[in-house]
Amino acid sequence: DTAVSQTPKYLVTQMGNDKSIKCEQNLGHDTMYWYKQDSKKFLKIMFSYNNKELIINETVPNRFSPKSPDKAHLNLHINSLELGDSAVYFCASSLAGGFTEAFFGQGTRLTVV
Amino acid sequence: RKEVEQDPGPFNVPEGATVAFNCTYSNSASQSFFWYRQDCRKEPKLLMSVYSSGNEDGRFTAQLNRASQYISLLIRDSKLSDSATYLCVVNKGDSGAGSYQLTFGKGTKLSVIP
Repeated sequence: DTAVSQTPKYLVTQMGNDKSIKCEQNLGHDTMYWYKQDSKKFLKIMFSYNNKELIINETVPNRFSPKSPDKAHLNLHINSLELGDSAVYFCASSLAGGFTEAFFGQGTRLTVV
Repeated sequence: RKEVEQDPGPFNVPEGATVAFNCTYSNSASQSFFWYRQDCRKEPKLLMSVYSSGNEDGRFTAQLNRASQYISLLIRDSKLSDSATYLCVVNKGDSGAGSYQLTFGKGTKLSVIP
């Protein structure tokens, strides 16, 4: 069983479109995250979500919005996609607010054309 | 000073060599420290947690120096399969925003050569 799963694995879309990436974890973790890994391979936190508390990295444009229907899911919605949004997006989860190991999904490679 | 700073490498070492990676972090309130490994086009995976007393797992040894805000990873007897990017990771440990965020360094790329 996959611990943290995200779909789709690859996403190619045109500028200006709106898209979503889904993430689910079956580990019973209480904290979930979205990370962006750019072309320089730098992993940057976008959001973390713990017990309905959303912590947003202030550098993330408001075109990006996380949605958590329940504790096991944290989806990422992106509006008005731009070329610079092309990257690999990783979902992750952990126990206890990140004081223990975080488990990552396999990543979604987003290409905006 | 960057939150988590690492030498990006690449480190090209022969099989059997010993290699050391260093990492510094800026927030003295940080409470949890980790080394993750990321293979090409794969997700990061935990290699080991780092404890104040230092810890060892087989060929891997991690050290933490809180006074200097410095973390290290030592790999002995390098194998070809050790080739990957090694990420230094810190949990800020603040009570407010940031307490649930793992901050990654940019990673150090290791290539073990036959």
